[in-house]
Amino acid sequence: AQSVTQPDIHITVSEGASLELRCNYSYGATPYLFWYVQSPGQGLQLLLKYFSGDTLVQGIKGFEAEFKRSQSSFNLRKPSVHWSDAAEYFCAVGEYGNKLVFGAGTILRVKS
Amino acid sequence: GAGVSQTPSNKVTEKGKYVELRCDPISGHTALYWYRQSLGQGPEFLIYFQGTGAADDSGLPNDRFFAVRPEGSVSTLKIQRTERGDSAVYLCASSLGLAGDEQYFGPGTRLTVT
Repeated sequence: AQSVTQPDIHITVSEGASLELRCNYSYGATPYLFWYVQSPGQGLQLLLKYFSGDTLVQGIKGFEAEFKRSQSSFNLRKPSVHWSDAAEYFCAVGEYGNKLVFGAGTILRVKS
Repeated sequence: GAGVSQTPSNKVTEKGKYVELRCDPISGHTALYWYRQSLGQGPEFLIYFQGTGAADDSGLPNDRFFAVRPEGSVSTLKIQRTERGDSAVYLCASSLGLAGDEQYFGPGTRLTVT
């Protein structure tokens, strides 16, 4: 069965610092991988996705993620965090990208 | 254009009652998904429609949960004999229906069973 692990429940970074959110997945084949962001009172918004090809994918809001098959990881990164990035971030894996399995999420706090 | 809408935004009901949650997908999206998000957890898949038919209902927890999409657009999630453990945010998403298409999520319905 597919599963997603986000090891960090909370992360706090200073504004302007770099960010890396970890995601490990379990899936038998090459998965469809996604990162979503959820701000308070708002719906989930897709940041980026990976299906095949270049293992470094660029997303919106300056985010990127790297697929590493050997480590079963799909970590999210941003070189310089802004206060508006404070939110909860979810990694998800899907068979054909339909039935998504989400991780438990990582809450990002940004300190000024 | 309009995004995915869900009504009501909040629903409080008593244990044992019946509830219906509605989802209006983005116009033209053939695929529609229901997820449930409990406090402190990520969304959990419930059911997926392609057109009018349920393509995958493997996430429905038991036979108290049922969903329909009779005309291939609006969907209703129905919960019978509600239990306190059903309290959660119910999320709806829609997509164009091709493999790997982005799922656009609605704001959710917060269900509280007292």
